[in-house]
Amino acid sequence: GIQVEQSPPDLILQEGANSTLRCNFSDSVNNLQWFHQNPWGQLINLFYIPSGTKQNGRLSATTVATERYSLLYISSSQTTDSGVYFCAVGDGNFNKFYFGSGTKLNVKP
Amino acid sequence: DAGVTQSPTHLIKTRGQQVTLRCSPISGHKSVSWYQQVLGQGPQFIFQYYEKEERGRGNFPDRFSARQFPNYSSELNVNALLLGDSALYLCASSLALVRNTEAFFGQGTRLTVV
Repeated sequence: GIQVEQSPPDLILQEGANSTLRCNFSDSVNNLQWFHQNPWGQLINLFYIPSGTKQNGRLSATTVATERYSLLYISSSQTTDSGVYFCAVGDGNFNKFYFGSGTKLNVKP
Repeated sequence: DAGVTQSPTHLIKTRGQQVTLRCSPISGHKSVSWYQQVLGQGPQFIFQYYEKEERGRGNFPDRFSARQFPNYSSELNVNALLLGDSALYLCASSLALVRNTEAFFGQGTRLTVV
C-alpha cells in the first residue's frame, strides 16, 4: 500500500501565527483529502485536493502530485484550530484511503 | 441535509462478545467504507461496500464482517471481541466507487472492550 508521512508530528503555536503542515506519499494517487479531527473524533473535511491549489478562508492547500506531496497552510491561527490534522490519499479502483499518522496542533491563546 | 450518521456513539463490550455497528450514508451516496482508528494513529481501512457488494477489504481478521443494505446503509460486525479491538470505528460515504470522489466521515463509534 501507499506510505503516507506527515510532518511535523506535533506543533505548538501562539494564536495568530502561521503554519505549514506537510504530507508526503510514496506512490501515485488519484485522491487526496485533508481532514481536521475534532476532540470528539469526527473527521471534518477541509480540502479535496488531488492536485492544484485551493483556499478556504484562513486555510489553503497545495498538492504537487508529480512530486508526491501536499501542503496545508494555516494562517492567523486560532485556538479553535487545535486538534489533529490528517492527510489521506486514495489509489486504484475504489476509495480506499491511506492515512498518515497526523499532525497534532496546539494553538495557545 | 443529514451527514453520515453512525450508531451507537459509544459502546462497552466484554471480551468474547459480538458487536454490530451501524452507518447511514449521506442521501444519494452509494459507497460506504469502514475504518478503525486506535489511539494515537491514523484510521486503517477495513471494508468498502458499493451497491451491496464488498469491493475492498483491509488487513483485518475474519472476525470482522460487514454488509450493505438496499437503502445503502451498512453494518460492521465484529465477533469474539479482543481487548485490541478497542478503537474508534469510522464510517465514510461517497457518491460512487470511481476514483476522484470525495469521502465524508461520520462521528464514529467508540468501542471499548473490557
